[in-house]
Amino acid sequence: DVVMTQSPLSLPVTLGQPASISCKSSQGLVFIDGSTYLSWFQQRPGQSPRRLIYKVSIRDSGVPDRFSGSGSRTDFTLKISRVEAEDVGVYYCMQGTHGPTFGQGTRLEIK
Amino acid sequence: QAQLVQSGGEVKKPGASVKVSCRTSGYTFTNYGVSWLRQAPGQGLEWVGWISAYNGHTNYAQRFQGRVTLTTDRSTTTAYMEVRSLTPDDTAVYYCARDRRDVLAGYTCDFWGQGTLVTVSS
Repeated sequence: DVVMTQSPLSLPVTLGQPASISCKSSQGLVFIDGSTYLSWFQQRPGQSPRRLIYKVSIRDSGVPDRFSGSGSRTDFTLKISRVEAEDVGVYYCMQGTHGPTFGQGTRLEIK
Repeated sequence: QAQLVQSGGEVKKPGASVKVSCRTSGYTFTNYGVSWLRQAPGQGLEWVGWISAYNGHTNYAQRFQGRVTLTTDRSTTTAYMEVRSLTPDDTAVYYCARDRRDVLAGYTCDFWGQGTLVTVSS
């Protein structure tokens, strides 16, 4: 299995400040179609996961533009330019190039 | 907008089986597949398997191979997951998610159901 390693696992952030989550994969994630299937999900307390970003950097419809994704090959990053109260939750990266696997999750809280 | 609505929570005894349904709407069912995932209490996300609603092709995570069966019903645009030989370690919220149509693309899990809590206890 492809191992996805996220850091940090806990992320206290002051409202209005930026936040960044790293995700590293144990293998390259380029699929046979040339795309890199790396997605980011947000799971608010008591809710189902919601996809924010797919194929490394494409924001889903309705996702605020303060969320951005970047990276290539095995190193990926989710950035929030200015954290808001509604961003509290757990963030997961997922690789979908091989049988899907997830990072351990990063818990974002307001400091 | 795609919607996936799952069946209600289940309580099962060890050794039993459970079948969870995922009724879809808001999109052309056969243009996509459905992945199933689970989340044990307080834990992270784990992929269980995938079925194409287009051609019925399935992929299972190795640890679930032989114990999980995924099916679809095109007439009701519903996907099903059956898990057999349940143990307490299978206690989790199970999710369905809309996913790739076939093996020519990677997995994406773009829209998720609300989750179904399956509790396994004697």
